[in-house]
This record gives sequence, structure tokens and C-alpha cells, in this order.
Amino acid sequence: DAGVTQSPTHLIKTRGQQVTLRCSPKSGHDTVSWYQQALGQGPQFIFQYYEEEERQRGNFPDRFSGHQFPNYSSELNVNALLLGDSALYLCASSSAALNTEAFFGQGTRLTVV
Amino acid sequence: DAKTTQPTSMDCAEGRAANLPCNHSTISGNEYVYWYRQIHSQGPQYIIHGLKNNETNEMASLIITEDRKSSTLILPHATLRDTAVYYCIVRVATGRRALTFGSGTRLQVQP
Repeated sequence: DAGVTQSPTHLIKTRGQQVTLRCSPKSGHDTVSWYQQALGQGPQFIFQYYEEEERQRGNFPDRFSGHQFPNYSSELNVNALLLGDSALYLCASSSAALNTEAFFGQGTRLTVV
Repeated sequence: DAKTTQPTSMDCAEGRAANLPCNHSTISGNEYVYWYRQIHSQGPQYIIHGLKNNETNEMASLIITEDRKSSTLILPHATLRDTAVYYCIVRVATGRRALTFGSGTRLQVQP
């Protein structure tokens, strides 16, 4: 059983560009959450998707947006990249119906230069 | 979600028990204590959670004080692979509730 998979694993972008990160949840999970982890800090919640809609959002600007597809996979989009957006982006999946704990992917390391 | 306080770092000798404390004095009656850990450059990994009774699984034991204001995660026989940042999180137990991570405790298991 594949766990949570994220792509790409590493990415380098230039300031001002846009980036799309992808996440496939663990089999049987319907909820996807995204987190940003800056170096040396704990993960910070960005937003959560369930039934293809954003259900919760953390304190992140509108430059951060997302999408969830009918197969429960999800994308995180960041526009107008800033140097401060350099971080590890983590995807976590869970199932409210099964009341499972969140399972995390290995993350995407984004570097903005 | 209630706030948690953890020591910044701890050391433990390989083969000995690692006891990681967490204070959560403002915990509400319907909030659980969760523990996750993050090994370097990997995503966080769920370890264990509990409400008020002590819990044990294949990875660790969780001891929650009677007043629920603090807890201790116990790794009974720490190995080098247990070197990681350990996060104590308090939250209501629903599958969709976001996790609020603090800075965690960096556990270094020494050979």
C-alpha cells in the first residue's frame, strides 16, 4: 500500500515565478492538508481540502491556492514566489470517516532564488 | 487547540529509555494529546495519542497525568534511528482537524 506521495521531491524556482506541487493521498483517505516547514521550525498549516473544496485555511496569503481532484489527489499552487517561500512543503492525508491519524508524505523541497 | 511546551533538546544513551515531557496546562476536556516525530528530511510520523488513560503501542508509551496538564512520551529502548524532533500536539480528535506544530524536542540518541 503506497503511502502519501508527493512530487517533485526538489524544485528550484526564481523569484516571481509560479509553482505547482502535487500530492496523492494514502489509499482510502479523502482529506488532504498542506503544510509549510521553514528550516529549523515546525510545520505550519496552509490549508485543507475535502470533497474538492477548501475547508480550513491557516494564516497564508492568497498567493497560496490549491485544488483537490475527484480521485482525492491535490495540488498546491504558489504565485509570485518570494525568497521567503523557500521551505519544505508537506502533504498529509487522513480520513474523517475512519477517524485516522494524519499520514505525511516526504515533502517537496522548494528553493526560491 | 491548547498550547504545549516542550524542552528544546534532550540526549539519551542508546538502549536506555527516552522520556520526553510535554506540558499542556490549558488542555480542554475533549482534547487529546498526540505525538509525532520527524526524522531529518522526512515527513512527520504519527507515534501515539491518548485522552486520559496511559497508552502503549509498538513504538512507544504515553503517560498522561491525572489532571491531564502534562504528559510523557516514553521510548523504552532508544536506538540511533530514534534520533528525531518529537512534537507534542493537543487537539480535538477528528480526522480533519489541522495539526498545530510547535518547535518540538530534538532528541539525540548517543551510541
